[in-house]
Amino acid sequence: DTAVSQTPKYLVTQMGNDKSIKCEQNLGHDTMYWYKQDSKKFLKIMFSYNNKELIINETVPNRFSPKSPDKAHLNLHINSLELGDSAVYFCASSQEASLAGENFGPGTRLTVT
Amino acid sequence: GQNIDQPTEMTATEGAIVQINCTYQTSGFNGLFWYQQHAGEAPTFLSYNVLDGLEEKGRFSSFLSRSKGYSYLLLKELQMKDSASYLCAVPGGGSYIPTFGRGTSLIVHP
Repeated sequence: DTAVSQTPKYLVTQMGNDKSIKCEQNLGHDTMYWYKQDSKKFLKIMFSYNNKELIINETVPNRFSPKSPDKAHLNLHINSLELGDSAVYFCASSQEASLAGENFGPGTRLTVT
Repeated sequence: GQNIDQPTEMTATEGAIVQINCTYQTSGFNGLFWYQQHAGEAPTFLSYNVLDGLEEKGRFSSFLSRSKGYSYLLLKELQMKDSASYLCAVPGGGSYIPTFGRGTSLIVHP
């Protein structure tokens, strides 16, 4: 069984479009995250979210918004896509204050043309 | 904020031992993570150190010195499949949300 899943795996779209990436975890974890990994392989956190608190990396443009319909899902919505948004986006989950690290999803490769 | 430094690339021979270093500066230290990431795949958790010393887990060991702001990942009996990027990550600010270093790309050759 897949612990953390993301859809789609690949997403190609044009500048200016709005798109969403879905994430689901079946581990019963409290906390979910979105990371962006750029072409230089630098992994940067965008958001962390549990039932009560959303922590936003202040460098993330407000065109990006996380949406959590329930504890097992954290979707990423992106408005007005730009070329610089092209990257691999990873969803992850962990128990709050986890000592076991995070479980990452397989990633979504977003290409903006 | 956190500042994490690790070498960009290392090469080693199959069967050998390699040590990947990571230095960090952070406030509110909450431990240090190591992750492995193969090309085109997601990072996978390797180790978590919160106390000083060496922790061994099979062929992989991780060391931490909090006073020096230093950690290393030791890989023994290298195999070709160990070719990957190794990411050092440090939570900061009293949270458990890690900030990742840029990763060390390890190339294992025959």
